[in-house]
Parts: sequence; C-alpha cells; structure tokens
Amino acid sequence: AQSVSQHNHHVILSEAASLELGCNYSYGGTVNLFWYVQYPGQHLQLLLKYFSGDPLVKGIKGFEAEFIKSKFSFNLRKPSVQWSDTAEYFCAVGGRDDKIIFGKGTRLHILP
Amino acid sequence: KAGVTQTPRYLIKTRGQQVTLSCSPISGHRSVSWYQQTPGQGLQFLFEYFSETQRNKGNFPGRFSGRQFSNSRSEMNVSTLELGDSALYLCASSKSRGRGTDTQYFGPGTRLTVL
Repeated sequence: AQSVSQHNHHVILSEAASLELGCNYSYGGTVNLFWYVQYPGQHLQLLLKYFSGDPLVKGIKGFEAEFIKSKFSFNLRKPSVQWSDTAEYFCAVGGRDDKIIFGKGTRLHILP
Repeated sequence: KAGVTQTPRYLIKTRGQQVTLSCSPISGHRSVSWYQQTPGQGLQFLFEYFSETQRNKGNFPGRFSGRQFSNSRSEMNVSTLELGDSALYLCASSKSRGRGTDTQYFGPGTRLTVL
C-alpha cells in the first residue's frame, strides 16, 4: 500500500540547533517528493520538491532535502534553525498516477 | 496574482445539516483538489477536479461531493453532517492536472465545526 511516514510528530529545538525531519515512503514507480510547510496562521506552502536530477534539493529559507532512493527516504534538513521556523511540516509523495499522499505532519517548535 | 481563496473561513453547523464550501483557484489554474485536515491525521485527499470533471476521488463516503464550474471555481458539499466531519477543509489549485507532479497552491481553508 502507498504510504508516507513522518517519524517525529512533535520536535522541540533551540535556536541555532540543527534540524533533520525524517520522511519515508512506500510508493511504486517513479516518485516525486515534496515538503510543504504551514506557518502559524498561514496557508500551506511548498518548501521544496524533487522530481529528478540531483538528489540534494535546496528550498526556501535555507532548507534542503536529500532523496535516498535505496532507503525510500526524503529527509528535510536545516543546519541552523530560527524561531521563525516554528511551523508544521508535511512530507508528500506523488507519482504519474496523479496521486499524492501526505504524511501526518511534524510540528516543529523552536525555543527563542 | 491573487492566491487561492476559500469561503467562508469559518462555519459552525449542527449534526444532520449540510454545508457548501467554495474555492476560487489562482487565475489560469485548471485543477482544484480538496483535502480534509485534522490533528494527527494530516491531509486526507477528498477529490480533484479538472476541466469541470472529477478526476480522482479519495476514500470518503458519498456524503462528500463536489463540482467545478467553467471558470474553474469549485464547491464541495457535505450532507448529513456528523461530529467527525469537524476539520479544516483545504482547497489547492495547480496549473495542470496531476497532483503528483505539479506544485499545488493552497488556500487558507474553511474551519468547519459540527456541534
């Protein structure tokens, strides 16, 4: 069955700490991978995406993610988080079958 | 360019009633998808419309329905509301058909509370 798993439901970090949010998926065929972010009181918006090419993808606000095909993973990273990164992060996997599956989200809370 | 808009932003209904939510996509976007967001469940796909036709449907009961108009605006309807329907309903638009291959642009959502 197709699925997306985000291992951490709630993460609390101090400012300047490094961040890694895990995302693993089960999906047949060629995949497209997304990270969306929902800041408090704002719309869900695209953070970054991977369709093909370099498996290390850079997104907005200093975020990056690495696609590791052998591990079925697409983890999100940021070397030094800021208080403004407090948000909920969603990993999503899509394919050419027009489906997209979202993970259940990770709430990130950054302590000032 | 204006973003995706949804109306109303908040709704309070009682069990058994029905509700209609509206979504206006970004100008030029022809695909509209609807999602139900609840704490702990993330985003659950409801359905997708493209060129006034429902292209895909998620695993929701028939009480959930939708439609798309010629100007790409979309509505979703929930009949015979249940307490479990309380959620944030998100609309997303994209330029082309293909939720799995195209970036989706989300609206602010409609917060539905069923009492």
